[in-house]
Amino acid sequence: KQEVTQIPAALSVPEGENLVLNCSFTDSAIYNLQWFRQDPGKGLTSLLLIQSSQREQTSGRLNASLDKSSGRSTLYIAASQPGDSATYLCAVNDYKLSFGAGTTVTVRA
Amino acid sequence: DTGVSQDPRHKITKRGQNVTFRCDPISEHNRLYWYRQTLGQGPEFLTYFQNEAQLEKSRLLSDRFSAERPKGSFSTLEIQRTEQGDSAMYLCASSFPRGKGSDEQYFGPGTRLTVT
Repeated sequence: KQEVTQIPAALSVPEGENLVLNCSFTDSAIYNLQWFRQDPGKGLTSLLLIQSSQREQTSGRLNASLDKSSGRSTLYIAASQPGDSATYLCAVNDYKLSFGAGTTVTVRA
Repeated sequence: DTGVSQDPRHKITKRGQNVTFRCDPISEHNRLYWYRQTLGQGPEFLTYFQNEAQLEKSRLLSDRFSAERPKGSFSTLEIQRTEQGDSAMYLCASSFPRGKGSDEQYFGPGTRLTVT
């Protein structure tokens, strides 16, 4: 059974600081990995998808890396803003998504 | 492309009642998934459809739960004889896999169920 872990569970940083969110998974037989953002009481917004054959993916201030052999992914958010405050979830896809519990980020103005 | 929609957004029901949720996927997507999320946890997989065929059900989906996708378009999730432990956010997602690596799931806003 795939187990996905996200560390830390919560993070508080001043505006402008770079964010580093970690995700680890136990079974490397995955199709891809997705990073999502979730605002309180809302659904999930897909941020990035990294295919299993890729090492990283970038979108604007977001960059995600994938090391499938070690079962790790990292999401970097550059120059954080208060609007980045949310819960970030990673999910590995082996036809269904297995999620971590998320990292709740607070960016202080 | 109007995105994945779910109805209702919120449902409050008394223990023992039946409830039904609806999900409308992105129109060209042939896969549809249901997940359940409880407070402070990531979503957990419940079941998924390819077109109208239900291909897998999680052991989380007890016999009180049933899901359908009658014409391969919208889907319904019914919970019979609700229990307080069913209180959660029920999320629907859809995808159109063009290859395993590129299968990206898009989520709806969810239905928040509260069982009193």
